[in-house]
Amino acid sequence: EVQLVESGGGLVQPGGSLRLSCAASGFTFSDHYMDWVRQAPGKGLEWVGRTRNKANSYTTEYAASVKGRFTISRDDSKNSLYLQMNSLKTEDTAVYYCARAIKYSSGWLTDYWGQGTLVTVSS
Amino acid sequence: AIRITQSPSSLSASTGDRVTITCRASQGISSYLAWYQQKPGKAPKLLIYAASTLQSGVPSRFSGSGSGTDFTLTISCLQSEDFATYYCQQYYSYPPTFGGGTKVEIK
Repeated sequence: EVQLVESGGGLVQPGGSLRLSCAASGFTFSDHYMDWVRQAPGKGLEWVGRTRNKANSYTTEYAASVKGRFTISRDDSKNSLYLQMNSLKTEDTAVYYCARAIKYSSGWLTDYWGQGTLVTVSS
Repeated sequence: AIRITQSPSSLSASTGDRVTITCRASQGISSYLAWYQQKPGKAPKLLIYAASTLQSGVPSRFSGSGSGTDFTLTISCLQSEDFATYYCQQYYSYPPTFGGGTKVEIK
């Protein structure tokens, strides 16, 4: 059974930093691209970024809203995904989901999501 | 970024009704579209990918159609457990973008 468990959320002041973690199990983590997706309170879903797998040099993609402030990394030996968030803004307040991506045809889509961790940016 | 316009933003329906939700992409995305269901306080769940392929374990009352810019999610006979918010997402190009969501409520 695929399981994704996020941790590390909490309250942080504007301008601060936070590191989220996602522990994966039930699948071969190293084979997959992995995403972070967020959802502000009462709002829709927003893709944050992606890390590709080793075969694709662990390259990353980011949404424009977080590029230069957020960094996605992974440790395949620990089946873990990370999101380092710096220079946090109040508009970064959201539930952050870790999600697995699968390849179908020539596209990558997310098929499993964790339960999310809440990040609140407030003074 | 490709914009996805989803409609309606909400709808009221009764158990047994046929429900249709649409998504329109700002440019052609072939069939690189997925549909997700989200219940309050829960993570999204993948229902359909490649516009019309049903994810394993998803009831056959859910179906998807479309290609290019216009897509449809249909629930043929609404069940009580289907009351939720539905999102479409294009994965044709970066960044992947979501529609604004459709909340399906009980009439």
